[in-house]
Amino acid sequence: TQLLEQSPQFLSIQEGENLTVYCNSSSVFSSLQWYRQEPGEGPVLLVTVVTGGEVKKLKRLTFQFGDARKDSSLHITAAQPGDTGLYLCAGANAYNQGGKLIFGQGTELSVKP
Amino acid sequence: DAGVIQSPRHEVTEMGQEVTLRCKPISGHNSLFWYRQTMMRGLELLIYFNNNVPIDDSGMPEDRFSAKMPNASFSTLKIQPSEPRDSAVYFCASSTRRSSTDTQYFGPGTRLTVL
Repeated sequence: TQLLEQSPQFLSIQEGENLTVYCNSSSVFSSLQWYRQEPGEGPVLLVTVVTGGEVKKLKRLTFQFGDARKDSSLHITAAQPGDTGLYLCAGANAYNQGGKLIFGQGTELSVKP
Repeated sequence: DAGVIQSPRHEVTEMGQEVTLRCKPISGHNSLFWYRQTMMRGLELLIYFNNNVPIDDSGMPEDRFSAKMPNASFSTLKIQPSEPRDSAVYFCASSTRRSSTDTQYFGPGTRLTVL
């Protein structure tokens, strides 16, 4: 069974601080996605990484896929209260049919003004 | 364009009652996913359909759960009989299923409380 472990589970920081969220597995994934979920809503896709070692930037967010495609990280620079939410990583296996995703447990981020 | 539509948004029922959750995927999407989210277990895939056909229902907890997709624009998840441990937020998501990197678009979820 493929599992994705996220750390930390909870993170409370002050506005302006930097942070990194990790997503690790013992399995190889063909691609990995990061979603953000706000209270009362469904997850929304932030980014997809598909190549080992790939780095993608989305404004203050930097996403990296590990060289072996078993892990990923999300780094936020100068966090703002609007970054508050649940961050989920999700892995896809090329051998799974139909785009099935395996989700991590999530990291609950709170950014205080 | 309208996103994924789920109804009801909130459901409170008593143990033993039948519960039906509904989902309308984004028009043109041919994959549909049902998830359950709880604090303890996170986001779990229950079942998914491709072109209205169930592909993988290994995440369905037990026989009390069933899902149907009679056409490309409608799906239901039914729990009969419901139990307190079924209390969770249930999400429906759809995608175009062109590749494993397809974006899944989630609905707002149905918060189910079984008393």
